[in-house]
Amino acid sequence: GAGVSQTPSNKVTEKGKYVELRCDPISGHTALYWYRQSLGQGPEFLIYFQGTGAADDSGLPNDRFFAVRPEGSVSTLKIQRTERGDSAVYLCASSPTGGGYTFGSGTRLTVV
Amino acid sequence: QKEVEQNSGPLSVPEGAIASLNCTYSDRGSQSFFWYRQYSGKSPELIMFIYSNGDKEDGRFTAQLNKASQYVSLLIRDSQPSDSATYLCAVGLNTDKLIFGTGTRLQVFP
Repeated sequence: GAGVSQTPSNKVTEKGKYVELRCDPISGHTALYWYRQSLGQGPEFLIYFQGTGAADDSGLPNDRFFAVRPEGSVSTLKIQRTERGDSAVYLCASSPTGGGYTFGSGTRLTVV
Repeated sequence: QKEVEQNSGPLSVPEGAIASLNCTYSDRGSQSFFWYRQYSGKSPELIMFIYSNGDKEDGRFTAQLNKASQYVSLLIRDSQPSDSATYLCAVGLNTDKLIFGTGTRLQVFP
């Protein structure tokens, strides 16, 4: 596609539920990144994929968070047992070789 | 000490003036430096990147990097009201995992 596509744009879920956030990167971009941004803060790194493999997952806050990119294109960020502190905008970005990413429009997650 | 520090602002400049945005970072091994612009309610968009000491110009924007002093700046010439946004500085050891500052809010008034 023309840009990075993220779905859903908004997600409201109850505390303790499981959520999946989807990212469809720019066609041909091998690198894919997940960040999250809380109000008044800059984006915070979560995980980076090069192709199908997670090259760096050091930003995932705990084992409730997991991400996959099985075919080297679309990625899904999965959050188990959601907590109110998980509420944020989850941003996906992609780039052809690394750096200078193009961000998607984000998924606003609200845990109530 | 935060890894990437920016003054939160707001920085207010009149239309047509030069806006100067600054950023300092703590990791001396940092090699890649980016400036993103973020309008309220929107996602960040890349303005410029710089990897080497000195200045890099692109239209009305100039990025300046001084690795010895660990700062990077962004100059916006002939500021326009449409430049009003939050400007995020991002720094990385490579081009992959970036650390973002909290951003500086710029207001350009007519």
